[in-house]
Amino acid sequence: AQSVTQLGSHVSVSEGALVLLRCNYSSSVPPYLFWYVQYPNQGLQLLLKYTSAATLVKGINGFEAEFKKSETSFHLTKPSAHMSDAAEYFCAVTQKAAGNKLTFGGGTRVLVKP
Amino acid sequence: DAGVIQSPRHEVTEMGQEVTLRCKPISGHNSLFWYRQTMMRGLELLIYFNNNVPIDDSGMPEDRFSAKMPNASFSTLKIQPSEPRDSAVYFCASSRTEVTEAFFGQGTRLTVV
Repeated sequence: AQSVTQLGSHVSVSEGALVLLRCNYSSSVPPYLFWYVQYPNQGLQLLLKYTSAATLVKGINGFEAEFKKSETSFHLTKPSAHMSDAAEYFCAVTQKAAGNKLTFGGGTRVLVKP
Repeated sequence: DAGVIQSPRHEVTEMGQEVTLRCKPISGHNSLFWYRQTMMRGLELLIYFNNNVPIDDSGMPEDRFSAKMPNASFSTLKIQPSEPRDSAVYFCASSRTEVTEAFFGQGTRLTVV
């Protein structure tokens, strides 16, 4: 079985400050991990993915995430928040054996204050 | 490629009516997913197909929901009869089996009154 937990349903950051969104996963086999972003009234867009290559993954819009097997974590960071980063962010896990069935976390809504 | 295409973008219907949501996956993708998003329950996987075959429909809430994928370029999600609690945004997504990220459509916002 696989599952994802995102700590914090809402995060508020100041423009220019560090963005840190937490994701912990549970998987019985090596996982594939993803972060998606959803802007209002839109579908989900892939930010970045981990598929067992480098543990530090760089994505679009200046985001990156680090896979830590010992901590079963895949936290998302961005050094300096921009107003355009206001959105909802979802962490997701799958296993190739699961037929690419994605399991999503509950999402974290990011508010960026000027 | 135009991406995953869903229609309609918005649907308002009366309780008891049949609703059909449509999805065209990205060409060459052989996995297709239907998700439902609500404020209360977040993103829920309803059903997914590999090579047009339903693999896991354990997320389909009731017998009122059914999904088909008659060919590699088209899928439908049908609700009959619809109820107000079915109001949600329904997303379709597709992926290539050998490349695991899923690409999402813009969603269909369903309102059942």
